[in-house]
Amino acid sequence: AQSVTQPDIHITVSEGASLELRCNYSYGATPYLFWYVQSPGQGLQLLLKYFSGDTLVQGIKGFEAEFKRSQSSFNLRKPSVHWSDAAEYFCAAARNTDKLIFGTGTRLQVFP
Amino acid sequence: GAVVSQHPSRVICKSGTSVKIECRSLDFQATTMFWYRQFPKQSLMLMATSNEGSKATYEQGVEKDKFLINHASLTLSTLTVTSAHPEDSSFYICSANLRGDGNQPQHFGDGTRLSIL
Repeated sequence: AQSVTQPDIHITVSEGASLELRCNYSYGATPYLFWYVQSPGQGLQLLLKYFSGDTLVQGIKGFEAEFKRSQSSFNLRKPSVHWSDAAEYFCAAARNTDKLIFGTGTRLQVFP
Repeated sequence: GAVVSQHPSRVICKSGTSVKIECRSLDFQATTMFWYRQFPKQSLMLMATSNEGSKATYEQGVEKDKFLINHASLTLSTLTVTSAHPEDSSFYICSANLRGDGNQPQHFGDGTRLSIL
């Protein structure tokens, strides 16, 4: 069955520290991959997406993600976290852009 | 950029009431819209796919008579929770794809917090 796994439910980092959020997928073929961010009580904002091509994808707000086929992973990174980055982060996958399957999310907490 | 507007943002009502939630694509035409449900501290679960001018496609386990979806135009889809009960309380989020562009990701509304007393 198709699935997306985010192993870390909750991550806490200090402001200015680097960040990596993990995402693994299980699909028959390489899916489209996405990272979304959700602030409390809000909808989802797209950070970045991978369809094909360069495996290192740049997104908004200084985020990037790297697609690794051999590891079925699409981890999200940021070199220096800001307090405003505190939110819930969702990894998602789809065969096309229609039926998204979401991971369970990672809650990021940032300490000053 | 593509904007999806969802209304209302919050609803509190009595058990047995039917509640309608609107999802509009403000600056683009959306052939397909999607309705998700999110329980507290959980991920989004797709409820149904709404196609303009045709019946919605519901995911397994979602009651189509309970969650009525109408997609009457290329910019509007509505979700009606009929005879809502406390267990229907949740965060409902819609999203939309840019029409004719299979390479565009879904754009999400800000969600509707539904609380049934």
